[in-house]
Formats: sequence, structure tokens, C-alpha cells
Amino acid sequence: AQTVTQSQPEMSVQEAETVTLSCTYDTSESDYYLFWYKQPPSRQMILVIRQEAYKQQNATENRFSVNFQKAAKSFSLKISDSQLGDAAMYFCAYRSPLNDMRFGAGTRLTVKP
Amino acid sequence: DGGITQSPKYLFRKEGQNVTLSCEQNLNHDAMYWYRQDPGQGLRLIYYSQIVNDFQKGDIAEGYSVSREKKESFPLTVTSAQKNPTAFYLCASIGTGPYQPQHFGDGTRLSIL
Repeated sequence: AQTVTQSQPEMSVQEAETVTLSCTYDTSESDYYLFWYKQPPSRQMILVIRQEAYKQQNATENRFSVNFQKAAKSFSLKISDSQLGDAAMYFCAYRSPLNDMRFGAGTRLTVKP
Repeated sequence: DGGITQSPKYLFRKEGQNVTLSCEQNLNHDAMYWYRQDPGQGLRLIYYSQIVNDFQKGDIAEGYSVSREKKESFPLTVTSAQKNPTAFYLCASIGTGPYQPQHFGDGTRLSIL
């Protein structure tokens, strides 16, 4: 079964600085999809960014970008120019072509003013 | 607007009682999911359904039951066999086609009286 590992339970960043959240996964499939979700204190799950495994180019959404290393099975999230509103739990997620979804345990991000 | 509606937002259960959490979607999605989230933890899969009248157990199905009689609806019953039901429950769905992220409801907080 696929597994997703987030090795950083907590991270902290100064406002306006850059932070990188780590995610590794284990799979034997060649095509799959990866996502980062943000969960603020309201507990809503908000999609941050997505990446399709066969695409070499790293996805970017405004201040959020990923470093996707398929061979290493690594999918890290970089947040640039961190803002107070970025403070949340961040979950890395894996989706197989058959819709099997797996989530990491999450990283709690604190943004210091 | 399309989305996933979970109700109620808060639910209280007495010892030995079964309770049912509602999840309705108007996104025309085939696949639907139920997750449990404990404080400070990630999402654990309870049950999922790829199609009407079919569903599979996830990682923590014991003490839970589901039905999928309509495409739009995927209710979760927390039975008295679930000894520690206090948690936050999230319903999600995925549309057909590649690269689709999961859409989530706003969750139900279940507590034991």
C-alpha cells in the first residue's frame, strides 16, 4: 500500500521569509497525483497545489511551489514571502489512478510576525 | 455553487447509541470518502465508495458502517461498537478524469456525552 510521510511535525517561519515543508511517499505505480492541502484552525481542507507524476515541470501557484523529485519519491512544498495567514496544518496527499487517497500526518506551520 | 454538505456540524452521542453523519454532494462525483481526524493528527480513511451500491473498508472501518444508495449521498453510521468515537469527521469526493483533487465538506465534530 502507498504511504505518505511528513517528517516535520512542526515548522516555524518568520513573516516574509521562505519555508520548505517535506514530504516523501512510497509507491510502485508510475502514474499518480500529488497534492498539498492546507487546514487552518477552521478545519476546512483547502487545496494549495497539485502535481501530476508524469509532468517533469514543478507546479507553481503564486507564492507556493513544489520540488518534485520522482526518482527520490519526494514532493516538498516551498512557501515564499510567508504571511500570517499561511499559519495552518499542511497535509501532503497521494492519489493513485484508481482514486486511492493517502495523507501524511501533517506539518503544523507557525508564522512569526 | 457545487460542493459537499456535511450535517450536523456538531453531534453528541450517548454511550451505546448509534449516530449517523450525513454527507451530500452535488458535484456529480462518483468516488466518495469518509475520514476521521483526531486532534493534531492526520486524516485516517474509514470507508470509501467508487460507485453507487459499492464501498470498501479503509484503514479504521471497525465500529463504522456506510451505505451508498444514491450517487449524491454517502452517510456514515458510528455504531456503539466504536469505543472511542470522539473525533472530527470529514467527507470528501473526487470527480472523474485525471488530476482531480479531493473536495471536502466542512466536517462534523462528534463528541461523547
